[in-house]
Amino acid sequence: GENVEQHPSTLSVQEGDSAVIKCTYSDSASNYFPWYKQELGKRPQLIIDIRSNVGEKKDQRIAVTLNKTAKHFSLHITETQPEDSAVYFCAARPPEQGGADGLTFGKGTHLIIQP
Amino acid sequence: IAGITQAPTSQILAAGRRMTLRCTQDMRHNAMYWYRQDLGLGLRLIHYSNTAGTTGKGEVPDGYSVSRANTDDFPLTLASAVPSQTSVYFCASSAGAPHNEQFFGPGTRLTVL
Repeated sequence: GENVEQHPSTLSVQEGDSAVIKCTYSDSASNYFPWYKQELGKRPQLIIDIRSNVGEKKDQRIAVTLNKTAKHFSLHITETQPEDSAVYFCAARPPEQGGADGLTFGKGTHLIIQP
Repeated sequence: IAGITQAPTSQILAAGRRMTLRCTQDMRHNAMYWYRQDLGLGLRLIHYSNTAGTTGKGEVPDGYSVSRANTDDFPLTLASAVPSQTSVYFCASSAGAPHNEQFFGPGTRLTVL
């Protein structure tokens, strides 16, 4: 099955600086890569996603890049703000095969924005 | 519109007891999922259902069962709870390909003693 590795497990940056979180995946057939943000005690919420036919996607201060050859994708947050502090999860979804579905998640990155 | 709801919010359960976690969505999504979240392990898929009447096993299905009698409901049952099933359980739903976004419920915090 799919295996997703996420690094770093904890990331501390100064407010206003950029943050980068990296993930690798094992199944070259995976075709959908979402990023979820989870605040303490809350549910995970989708912040951005990318499909395998696209190399980069941006949404205001957030961007995701995908390298299919190397099987890795990254989340970039620019001009970080205190409200960006949370745990971020990357995930990969293999294509549906005989009913197999669902996301495989990385173990998460705790992003801390220092004032 | 409620979106996706779960019940109970939290539960303390004696080992060996049977427990059903409830999940309901009103978005008419075809696909539904159960994940468990443990500190340092992220979210792991327990069971899924691509459409009403069908279910499948995820990464960690042992000790859990599910049913999907209709589109809206996807209950998760622990037939005989064990302490290792102490976790936060999240239900999620999605409209299915090509709309892959999964929407998560608020979670159920389960403690098995």
